[in-house]
Amino acid sequence: KQEVTQIPAALSVPEGENLVLNCSFTDSAIYNLQWFRQDPGKGLTSLLLIQSSQREQTSGRLNASLDKSSGRSTLYIAASQPGDSATYLCAVRGGSQGNLIFGKGTKLSVKP
Amino acid sequence: SAVISQKPSRDICQRGTSLTIQCQVDSQVTMMFWYRQQPGQSLTLIATANQGSEATYESGFVIDKFPISRPNLTFSTLTVSNMSPEDSSIYLCSARTGNTGELFFGEGSRLTVL
Repeated sequence: KQEVTQIPAALSVPEGENLVLNCSFTDSAIYNLQWFRQDPGKGLTSLLLIQSSQREQTSGRLNASLDKSSGRSTLYIAASQPGDSATYLCAVRGGSQGNLIFGKGTKLSVKP
Repeated sequence: SAVISQKPSRDICQRGTSLTIQCQVDSQVTMMFWYRQQPGQSLTLIATANQGSEATYESGFVIDKFPISRPNLTFSTLTVSNMSPEDSSIYLCSARTGNTGELFFGEGSRLTVL
């Protein structure tokens, strides 16, 4: 059974710092991996989608990497801003018709 | 991408009543899903909403408690029946596009059951 773990559970950094959020999964046979952002009391915003054949994806200040063999993904946020404060969720999909399995998220706080 | 609208965005309900949440997608999508997010927890899949047929429920969720409709490729409803305080959660609609398989979410419906 696929399990997704995100470390740390919470992170507080000063504005301008570069940071890395970690995601690990127990079954390396994934179809794709998706990173989301969730603001308090809101829905999820898709940030990056990495297909199983890809190693990384970039969007603006965000870069997500995928190492399937080791069951790991990282989300790198460059030059963090207070507006980046949110909970970041990692989710993996086990097959083309599979469902997403979510981690519990990392709550990020960027202090001005 | 897909833009997903949900309503109501929030509601306060009395124990024993039922509430229907509506989900509208701005384009035809292959698959639609309903998730629940209990306070302080991550997302749990309730069911896959199948167009023109009965929904596929995950373990622990049953049709009598969470009836789902999907009359076409852009619209779905989730009903939370005979509510109790334990049903207080955010309910999220999501849709998967056919090309990349990326999953998109609505803003969620926050239900509080008194």
